Amino acid sequence: AQSVTQLGSHVSVSEGALVLLRCNYSSSVPPYLFWYVQYPNQGLQLLLKYTSAATLVKGINGFEAEFKKSETSFHLTKPSAHMSDAAEYFCAVSDRRQGNLIFGKGTKLSVKP
Amino acid sequence: EADIYQTPRYLVIGTGKKITLECSQTMGHDKMYWYQQDPGMELHLIHYSYGVNSTEKGDLSSESTVSRIRTEHFPLTLESARPSHTSQYLCASSEVYYGYTFGSGTRLTVV
Repeated sequence: AQSVTQLGSHVSVSEGALVLLRCNYSSSVPPYLFWYVQYPNQGLQLLLKYTSAATLVKGINGFEAEFKKSETSFHLTKPSAHMSDAAEYFCAVSDRRQGNLIFGKGTKLSVKP
Repeated sequence: EADIYQTPRYLVIGTGKKITLECSQTMGHDKMYWYQQDPGMELHLIHYSYGVNSTEKGDLSSESTVSRIRTEHFPLTLESARPSHTSQYLCASSEVYYGYTFGSGTRLTVV
């Protein structure tokens, strides 16, 4: 069975600092991996996805993630945090047959001025 | 523009009332999903559909029901609302390999 673990339910960074949100997955088959962002009282918005092309994936708002098979990880990074990045972030893994997503429990990112 | 729409965005309703949360998508996706999410918490899958006349219960037991009579429409119904149903409900649709597209959600409060 597939699963996703997001390390750290709450991450706090200063404005301008590096953002690193951790995601580890478990999958018996090569996975598709996704990061979503959720702002308060909104649905989830796709940030980026890995579908077995380049292992370094660039997304919207300056975020990127690197697929590391040896570490079963798909961590999300952004070189310089902005106040507008404060939100909840969800990592998800998809099985390639059905395409259903398994979501992590989410990481709340706070950005301090 | 292809999108997914949920109405209403906010709903406050009394205990015992019947409610229907609407979800429509214009992308022609066969797969659609309903999630329940308390504020700042994880997503719980409550219903999904792989196409017209196909509906399944998700991982979290829910007293709600769904129907899928048309590809673009996937409404969720609560026959008798209770305070324990207070939550945010998110609808999503998907095309395999491309992830989900989410609606903006309905925040339900049962008083």
